[in-house]
Amino acid sequence: GQSLEQPSEVTAVEGAIVQINCTYQTSGFYGLSWYQQHDGGAPTFLSYNALDGLEETGRFSSFLSRSDSYGYLLLQELQMKDSASYFCAVSRGSQGNLIFGKGTKLSVKP
Amino acid sequence: EAGVTQSPTHLIKTRGQQATLRCSPISGHTSVYWYQQALGLGLQFLLWYDEGEERNRGNFPPRFSGRQFPNYSSELNVNALELEDSALYLCASSLGDASPKGEQYFGPGTRLTVT
Repeated sequence: GQSLEQPSEVTAVEGAIVQINCTYQTSGFYGLSWYQQHDGGAPTFLSYNALDGLEETGRFSSFLSRSDSYGYLLLQELQMKDSASYFCAVSRGSQGNLIFGKGTKLSVKP
Repeated sequence: EAGVTQSPTHLIKTRGQQATLRCSPISGHTSVYWYQQALGLGLQFLLWYDEGEERNRGNFPPRFSGRQFPNYSSELNVNALELEDSALYLCASSLGDASPKGEQYFGPGTRLTVT
């Protein structure tokens, strides 16, 4: 079967750096995505890694290690508006759908 | 450019009834995905449509069904509603085969409440 593990909650202070880890077990792995969802809002796409290494997009970076079945989302210079749930999601081979983790609720404190 | 739209925003039904949820993808997107987000359970994949065909379905009973129209909009039908069907139903779209596999664009969702 398929499974993704990520911490349920993370708390950090404004201006800090936080890393949200994701480990996965799945057949036919193709890539790892990250989505952000504010309370009451729709998930929004943040990043996608198909190859090993680090992808940087502004304050957010995402990392993938295929050999370790592991990835993380790194958020720098945290802002209050970054308080949200963050989901990792796996895409597999020819399957168009994503398999999501249960999400990590990030709380940014002043 | 308009994003993914869904209707209705909220839907209240009684156990045993049928619900129909609608989704319009971003212009040019041919793939539509439906996900269920129940409290504390993350997003569970329901159905994937591309070019009018059902391409894949998740681990849900057959009373969850849908279709995609020639204009790529889609509807999700849930028959014989049960209390545990109460959830946020999210629709997402992508460019289909031309899209990076992990990039989907979500609508605001339909909140279905079954009483």
